[in-house]
Amino acid sequence: GAGVSQSPSNKVTEKGKDVELRCDPISGHTALYWYRQSLGQGLEFLIYFQGNSAPDKSGLPSDRFSAERTGGSVSTLTIQRTQQEDSAVYLCASNVGGSDTQYFGPGTRLTVL
Amino acid sequence: EDQVTQSPEALRLQEGESSSLNCSYTVSGLRGLFWYRQDPGKGPEFLFTLYSAGEEKEKERLKATLTKKESFLHITAPKPEDSATYLCAVQAASGTYKYIFGTGTRLKVLA
Repeated sequence: GAGVSQSPSNKVTEKGKDVELRCDPISGHTALYWYRQSLGQGLEFLIYFQGNSAPDKSGLPSDRFSAERTGGSVSTLTIQRTQQEDSAVYLCASNVGGSDTQYFGPGTRLTVL
Repeated sequence: EDQVTQSPEALRLQEGESSSLNCSYTVSGLRGLFWYRQDPGKGPEFLFTLYSAGEEKEKERLKATLTKKESFLHITAPKPEDSATYLCAVQAASGTYKYIFGTGTRLKVLA
């Protein structure tokens, strides 16, 4: 079956522009996570969704970052007024509620010039 | 502060040369410890979950063990296809949904 998909795979933007990153989880997976992976850094938790609600937004680094999930499926991570330090790979993962096995997408590589 | 430290940062092995990767953690009550494998340009792939000290899990040439302070990923007679970055993560038992990842061990197995 289809895995987690993310789009775009690569995004180059100019400093100050807004970007939207999309995640399509595995069908039926109620839990969805966003992470950021910077060069030489571990995966950094950003936000967790259970269904359409986000009980844990503690990892969002600033109010320029926001995320939503609609229909208990697709999620969008939005970064406003991008900065060079936002350059990283943004990864999405999903899992069935009650399971600890997270399935990751291939990531979106964001480069802010 | 909850933290995960992995060592070594990088490891080169000859094919067949067994070794272990270390994951040390500090967390306010462990709910679970997780091992993932990540190939270049791809998302992490789940390997194991360990929940309590003394627990062990095996999969092919990999065996993960857990103590109250650290976890080891033992690789027996590795093959070149085992080359990847191995990531360790923990989740606290305090009701948080957050997973804390280490920076990984880059493993290279030479033929």
